[in-house]
Amino acid sequence: RKEVEQDPGPFNVPEGATVAFNCTYSNSASQSFFWYRQDCRKEPKLLMSVYSSGNEDGRFTAQLNRASQYISLLIRDSKLSDSATYLCVVKVGNQFYFGTGTSLTVIP
Amino acid sequence: NAGVTQTPKFRVLKTGQSMTLLCAQDMNHEYMYWYRQDPGMGLRLIHYSVGEGTTAKGEVPDGYNVSRLKKQNFLLGLESAAPSQTSVYFCASRNYEQYFGPGTRLTVT
Repeated sequence: RKEVEQDPGPFNVPEGATVAFNCTYSNSASQSFFWYRQDCRKEPKLLMSVYSSGNEDGRFTAQLNRASQYISLLIRDSKLSDSATYLCVVKVGNQFYFGTGTSLTVIP
Repeated sequence: NAGVTQTPKFRVLKTGQSMTLLCAQDMNHEYMYWYRQDPGMGLRLIHYSVGEGTTAKGEVPDGYNVSRLKKQNFLLGLESAAPSQTSVYFCASRNYEQYFGPGTRLTVT
């Protein structure tokens, strides 16, 4: 069983739409959680950490449900520049486990 | 402040050749990581280091060796390259969140 599973998409949404991505993790000892963004042929870049109480950064909201081992990312008012692959990342000990990513294309 | 840098950016090897990938960071991070990224597989951890002079195996260590002689550098070696090692290699460093280098695209023919 994979450590982290994501719906690969693709998600194609119009500008201004709200879109949500989900991620599940298998290891209950997971300590920290992150969302990264990866543009085509580029390195992953940190979008936001995910805290137990949920957290928001502008148009982006992340939620964590430890009981269900589930992480989500909500993007409001989508922009063309949000088009990318979004990676769910889980930290266990000193190791990080990545989902395969969810592809988002925002359409004009 | 360059962050995390990787050299080379591109490389083509023939089966059986060897090479070393260099990762350097100027953020004084203790932890450093080497990943490979293949289509449909996501990033997979090859080796990592929790400090100068230390190394540890990750999820897919076979065929690779690493060294961390200086805190700012983490080297990834391929002793005898195989076509299965064709991939994009990313280095990362962290205190808390990971910061990634731009990647090395390696093709083994």
